[in-house]
Amino acid sequence: GAGVSQSPRYKVTKRGQDVALRCDPISGHVSLYWYRQALGQGPEFLTYFNYEAQQDKSGLPNDRFSAERPEGSISTLTIQRTEQRDSAMYRCASSLNPGGKPEAFFGQGTRLTVV
Amino acid sequence: AQKVTQAQTEISVVEKEDVTLDCVYETRDTTYYLFWYKQPPSGELVFLIRRNSFDEQNEISGRYSWNFQKSTSSFNFTITASQVVDSAVYFCALSEAWITGTASKLTFGTGTRLQVTL
Repeated sequence: GAGVSQSPRYKVTKRGQDVALRCDPISGHVSLYWYRQALGQGPEFLTYFNYEAQQDKSGLPNDRFSAERPEGSISTLTIQRTEQRDSAMYRCASSLNPGGKPEAFFGQGTRLTVV
Repeated sequence: AQKVTQAQTEISVVEKEDVTLDCVYETRDTTYYLFWYKQPPSGELVFLIRRNSFDEQNEISGRYSWNFQKSTSSFNFTITASQVVDSAVYFCALSEAWITGTASKLTFGTGTRLQVTL
């Protein structure tokens, strides 16, 4: 597609529920990144993929968070048993890597609110 | 570990003033990339520029210019003749550059909020 697409744009969920956030990267982009941004802060790295391989998941806060990119394109970030502290903007980005232009382009984000 | 510091939390200027946003970084990597992103009030993150650590040539794009100084680990961003539409939060970011020209994860600063008034 023309840009990185994330869905849903807004998600309100009850504490304890599981949520799945979807990211559709720019067509042909090899690398896909997930970040989380709290209000008034810069984005914080969660995990990233090159093709379907998860290269780094060091930013995932705990084992309730997981991500996959099974066919090297669309990715899903799953949060199990959500807690109020999980409320944030979740941002996905993609870049042409490797060997191409390394800059990452971001989607509009998913605003997650856990009540 | 990588670290990006944007010491200016908020800057207010009057339209047509020049303004410089500071960015200081720390890294042990010998090759790395530096970036600036803009986050307007609508909330999206917009890529502005990428600089390679091995290229210290400064860059100008219209009213925007960037000054990269490896000796002081700084990558400052200047807006000349600011306009109201420049009002946004600006983030500086850093990533490791691998030998294949690939960037790894981005480490962001906390951002500088720029308010341009008439």
